[in-house]
Amino acid sequence: ILNVEQSPQSLHVQEGDSTNFTCSFPSSNFYALHWYRWETAKSPEALFVMTLNGDEKKKGRISATLNTKEGYSYLYIKGSQPEDSATYLCAFAGTASKLTFGTGTRLQVTL
Amino acid sequence: DAGVIQSPRHEVTEMGQEVTLRCKPISGHNSLFWYRQTMMRGLELLIYFNNNVPIDDSGMPEDRFSAKMPNASFSTLKIQPSEPRDSAVYFCASSLGQTTYEQYFGPGTRLTVT
Repeated sequence: ILNVEQSPQSLHVQEGDSTNFTCSFPSSNFYALHWYRWETAKSPEALFVMTLNGDEKKKGRISATLNTKEGYSYLYIKGSQPEDSATYLCAFAGTASKLTFGTGTRLQVTL
Repeated sequence: DAGVIQSPRHEVTEMGQEVTLRCKPISGHNSLFWYRQTMMRGLELLIYFNNNVPIDDSGMPEDRFSAKMPNASFSTLKIQPSEPRDSAVYFCASSLGQTTYEQYFGPGTRLTVT
């Protein structure tokens, strides 16, 4: 069973704060690492797919980094807004066919 | 494009009944995934199709579950007979290829088995 762990489980920040969370995954047999944003009552929405060690991706105020040698990825949100409130999922692929999802970090941004 | 389409959105059925969930992937996507989401286990892959062929069904819980993809634009997940522990949200997702491509999720089917 692959272990994909995310921390913290939940996070509560104020508008304007910058924040980051961690995804840990097996450091062997790396294929890809995905980040998804999942709002309540909706379905997961892709943020990034990263495949190379040292990859850095950015979309607006959200960015992610990848370290495949030590088995972790960070997701950063700069200047959090209430609309950033969601669960952020990472998913690890050790093969071409299967993603294993973490349990997510639940972010709540208040005014 | 309308995105990934799933039906029904909600299904309530009695234990022992057959349940069929349906999915239409995004046109042009050659990979389709069925996931189940529960409080206990989170989001877990049930089965993955590539070019309509099942590639990895190691996540299918038991023989009561079966999935088909008769053509590039349609897939079904069937549970027969259904049990209360099958109650969950079932998502279908599609992508342009294997795990190096982002996956696009449908709205999900919330299944309740009483």
